[in-house]
Amino acid sequence: GQQVMQIPQYQHVQEGEDFTTYCNSSTTLSNIQWYKQRPGGHPVFLIQLVKSGEVKKQKRLTFQFGEAKKNSSLHITATQTTDVGTYFCAGGQNAGGTSYGKLTFGQGTILTVHP
Amino acid sequence: GAVVSQHPSWVICKSGTSVKIECRSLDFQATTMFWYRQFPKQSLMLMATSNEGSKATYEQGVEKDKFLINHASLTLSTLTVTSAHPEDSSFYICSARRAGTSAYNEQFFGPGTRLTVL
Repeated sequence: GQQVMQIPQYQHVQEGEDFTTYCNSSTTLSNIQWYKQRPGGHPVFLIQLVKSGEVKKQKRLTFQFGEAKKNSSLHITATQTTDVGTYFCAGGQNAGGTSYGKLTFGQGTILTVHP
Repeated sequence: GAVVSQHPSWVICKSGTSVKIECRSLDFQATTMFWYRQFPKQSLMLMATSNEGSKATYEQGVEKDKFLINHASLTLSTLTVTSAHPEDSSFYICSARRAGTSAYNEQFFGPGTRLTVL
């Protein structure tokens, strides 16, 4: 079945440093979504990328979707303590058949930010 | 908007008993709901996809007779862990997608249910 690999598993940064997490899928994705889960919380949707080579920005966050639609990255510029949490990528399959647009989550990257 | 609740938030039960977890979309209708299991500091593993009015679609390796899913209405899906054992202890999270939206739209997650089986 579809597998989504995410690295690194952990990232410790000093406040103000940049942070990047990477996702790679074993198969071509129809779309990729990114979620953030704060400690003790539940995943919260950040963004979705659909087009090949797409780049989207949300303030200090930059999301990219690879040309082959098999990889993606999330880059945070000048991290803040509020960025702490686990960032998950989730790859989507075509919604045909019985997949109903289900997502396969990467392992997540746990980000800690030292003030 | 787009709030999903789960009940209970935590439950402790004895081995061999059954536990029902409810997932509700509070301010929207959800044709499709998903049930995930998450181990500490690990990813979300999709267990099954629940569609209103039809049978759930289970992922490979998930026992449908052990994890019973019922999606009786557009705002409620339930997961029943039957004859629970200590290895079923985990964090169960549901998510919902708005009815009438693309299958590629975002999922809204509930706060999760912590199940501990003694």
